[in-house]
Amino acid sequence: AQTVTQSQPEMSVQEAETVTLSCTYDTSESNYYLFWYKQPPSRQMILVIRQEAYKQQNATENRFSVNFQKAAKSFSLKISDSQLGDTAMYFCAFIAGGGADGLTFGKGTHLIIQP
Amino acid sequence: GAGVSQTPSNKVTEKGKYVELRCDPISGHTALYWYRQSLGQGPEFLIYFQGTGAADDSGLPNDRFFAVRPEGSVSTLKIQRTERGDSAVYLCASSLLGRGTGELFFGEGSRLTVL
Repeated sequence: AQTVTQSQPEMSVQEAETVTLSCTYDTSESNYYLFWYKQPPSRQMILVIRQEAYKQQNATENRFSVNFQKAAKSFSLKISDSQLGDTAMYFCAFIAGGGADGLTFGKGTHLIIQP
Repeated sequence: GAGVSQTPSNKVTEKGKYVELRCDPISGHTALYWYRQSLGQGPEFLIYFQGTGAADDSGLPNDRFFAVRPEGSVSTLKIQRTERGDSAVYLCASSLLGRGTGELFFGEGSRLTVL
């Protein structure tokens, strides 16, 4: 079974700063996908960024980028030039390429951007 | 519709009652997922449909939980003899390409409170 661990229950930074959210995972699969989802108070989960395990290049989406360390099973999210609208719960998630068992989520990190 | 729609948004019921939660996925999405999110936790996988059939129901906690998708579009999650421990947000997601390969689009969830 896969596990996803987010060790930071809450983080708070000032607007415009850079913040990094940590995520580690455990799996015996060789083919898998990793995701970061954002959940604002509206409860809707929004995909932030996606990484295929077979790709060595780290994914980037505008102000969001990941540091994917496959050997260490680490998948951190970096948010640059943080904005007030980035305040939300952030969940790291894993799915095996074969699709068994659905997405496995971590417990989340509550990110607060201070004005 | 433009996004995944879930009804009701909030449901309060008494212990022992029967509850139905509805999910209307994005038009054309063949894959549909149900997740349960307890307070302070990440979403937990319940069941996955590909078309009309339940491809994986390994996440359903017990036989009080059942889900259907008779025409391959709208899905209903049914909970019999509700218990206080069933209180959670129930999230639905749909995907065009199926698990592991495409982005999952989530609804805003149905918050179930069992008194």
